[in-house]
Amino acid sequence: EDKVVQSPLSLVVHEGDTVTLNCSYEVTNFRSLLWYKQEKKAPTFLFMLTSSGIEKKSGRLSSILDKKELSSILNITATQTGDSAIYLCAVVPSNTGKLIFGQGTTLQVKP
Amino acid sequence: DVKVTQSSRYLVKRTGEKVFLECVQDMDHENMFWYRQDPGLGLRLIYFSYDVKMKEKGDIPEGYSVSREKKERFSLILESASTNQTSMYLCASSTPQGYYGYTFGSGTRLTVV
Repeated sequence: EDKVVQSPLSLVVHEGDTVTLNCSYEVTNFRSLLWYKQEKKAPTFLFMLTSSGIEKKSGRLSSILDKKELSSILNITATQTGDSAIYLCAVVPSNTGKLIFGQGTTLQVKP
Repeated sequence: DVKVTQSSRYLVKRTGEKVFLECVQDMDHENMFWYRQDPGLGLRLIYFSYDVKMKEKGDIPEGYSVSREKKERFSLILESASTNQTSMYLCASSTPQGYYGYTFGSGTRLTVV
C-alpha cells in the first residue's frame, strides 16, 4: 500500500532557529513530491520535486529529494512567527491523479 | 486567478441533519476531491471524481455521498450528520494526472452538535 510518513508530527522552536522537516514515502510509481504550507485556511503550494529537479529553494525555505532513500526534507532557516503552520508532504503517483498525503507537521515558532 | 471556492467557511449543524457542502472550481479541471482533516490524522480522502457524473470512494466514504452533475461543481453530502463528522473539510481540484498537485479551496469547518 502506498504510504507517506512525515516527522516530527509537531515542533516548537523560537524565532531565528533553523528547522528540518522530514518526509519519507513508499509509492509504487513515483512521479513527483510536493510540499504545502497550511495556515488557517487552504494549503498553499511551496515546492514540487521530481527525478529531474531534486532541489528547490525560495528565500529561507529549501527542499531536497533523496531518490535513493525515498525521502525529502524541508528546511526553514531563520524562522519567523509567520512560518507557524502545518506543513504537508504529498506524493503524486504516475498511474493516478490522486495525491498521497503524509500526516503533516505542525510547526509553532515562538517570538 | 484560478480558484476553488467552498460555499461556507464555518457551519454548525445538528445531529441527524442532512448537510450539503458545495465546491466550485473555475479551472476546467477534470479531477475533484473531498478530504477531511483532523489533528494527527492528516488529510483523509472521502470521495473523488474524474469526470462529470463519475465518482469513486476514497478511504473513508462511510456516512458521506457526493454529486457531480457539472464539471465545475462537486458536492459532498452528509446524509445524517453525526458528531464524529465534526471536522475541517477541504475540496481540491487537479488536472487528470495531478502532476502539478492540487488547488485547494479554503475549507469548511463543520461542527455537528
